[in-house]
Amino acid sequence: QKEVEQNSGPLSVPEGAIASLNCTYSDRGSQSFFWYRQYSGKSPELIMFIYSNGDKEDGRFTAQLNKASQYVSLLIRDSQPSDSATYLCAVNSGNQFYFGTGTSLTVIP
Amino acid sequence: EADIYQTPRYLVIGTGKKITLECSQTMGHDKMYWYQQDPGMELHLIHYSYGVNSTEKGDLSSESTVSRIRTEHFPLTLESARPSHTSQYLCASSGSVGTGFEKLFFGSGTQLSVL
Repeated sequence: QKEVEQNSGPLSVPEGAIASLNCTYSDRGSQSFFWYRQYSGKSPELIMFIYSNGDKEDGRFTAQLNKASQYVSLLIRDSQPSDSATYLCAVNSGNQFYFGTGTSLTVIP
Repeated sequence: EADIYQTPRYLVIGTGKKITLECSQTMGHDKMYWYQQDPGMELHLIHYSYGVNSTEKGDLSSESTVSRIRTEHFPLTLESARPSHTSQYLCASSGSVGTGFEKLFFGSGTQLSVL
């Protein structure tokens, strides 16, 4: 069974702080990795995509991938109240997408 | 603008009714998916399709059925709705652009309530 595990939440950070979300996956054959943001009652929105080891930055978001450790993370710098949402980690393996259960993030003003 | 369209956005219906949730995409993607998600809970894949006339059941057993007669259209049907079907239904499609890796995109979802 291919599994995607996310660090248990909920996670609370003060406004302006760095939020760190973590994810591990079981299938070494996984090829690409995603972070989705989902606001309450809304559908998931793709915010980051990474497939090579290392860091990928997009504005305040940085995705980090370590294939040897089977670990992917999302850093949100200068966290804003509008970042409060559930963040879903997903991997693509064997032409299928596998999702974690999500980490709820609250940014406190 | 390329997008994934789901209708209706909200649906309240009585037990025993037949319903069809519509999903269309203008992304040009071959692969389409239906997920079910209860509030605060994880996503569950219920159906997927890799192309026209190709449909498969997902990880979560569902009493719904799907069809894929056109590339852009992937409707989901419940023959007889029950209160246990109350949930959010998310349609998605995936395709590879540029990098050669597939990316998955979601529609806005249909919130179904069966009374």
